[in-house]
Amino acid sequence: DAKTTQPPSMDCAEGRAANLPCNHSTISGNEYVYWYRQIHSQGPQYIIHGLKNNETNEMASLIITEDRKSSTLILPHATLRDTAVYYCIVRVPILNTNAGKSTFGDGTTLTVKP
Amino acid sequence: EAQVTQNPRYLITVTGKKLTVTCSQNMNHEYMSWYRQDPGLGLRQIYYSMNVEVTDKGDVPEGYKVSRKEKRNFPLILESPSPNQTSLYFCASSLFLNSPLHFGNGTRLTVT
Repeated sequence: DAKTTQPPSMDCAEGRAANLPCNHSTISGNEYVYWYRQIHSQGPQYIIHGLKNNETNEMASLIITEDRKSSTLILPHATLRDTAVYYCIVRVPILNTNAGKSTFGDGTTLTVKP
Repeated sequence: EAQVTQNPRYLITVTGKKLTVTCSQNMNHEYMSWYRQDPGLGLRQIYYSMNVEVTDKGDVPEGYKVSRKEKRNFPLILESPSPNQTSLYFCASSLFLNSPLHFGNGTRLTVT
């Protein structure tokens, strides 16, 4: 499965949009992009996922480039409670070799500042 | 309430003393997985299971065993723990391969 690359850290002002990038240049056509976040040492929390179309839910928006080699998670109005580590991973939805594997990299530590 | 439950939350043990960390989900999920988290190394997958009696190795399976005799339970077994297995462990489950993962609250293991 494809590996992902994220910047180690980012800052964002409270109330502004936080844009977190992720590179997944080796992504395959059937691999989905997932975003999770982890606050302190709690279990990671699901945010959003997508295949090739942009997605939006109550938490965030996901923009996937046309070639699918990168994506951006957007938190439209960041709050102090959004300070967390954000992980971007890819998952294969069908049964093939390594389909069940999923590894989270180091993610991006987002710090929202007052 | 739909959840993934891990026990215990904290465990301190000595080298070589067999231990089991339990993981249970009440959502009828097919897929379950164990991860360990160490500073600077993200979450690394230990083992995963696509369904009952189907398990496979993740990226760091050495020193660990798992079983999936029932759909809801996926225990992690350390037959002979060593200090390098001191870590924060997470269990996760998802309905299918292409479904969001639900994580437990973690088990912090210290092996002395």
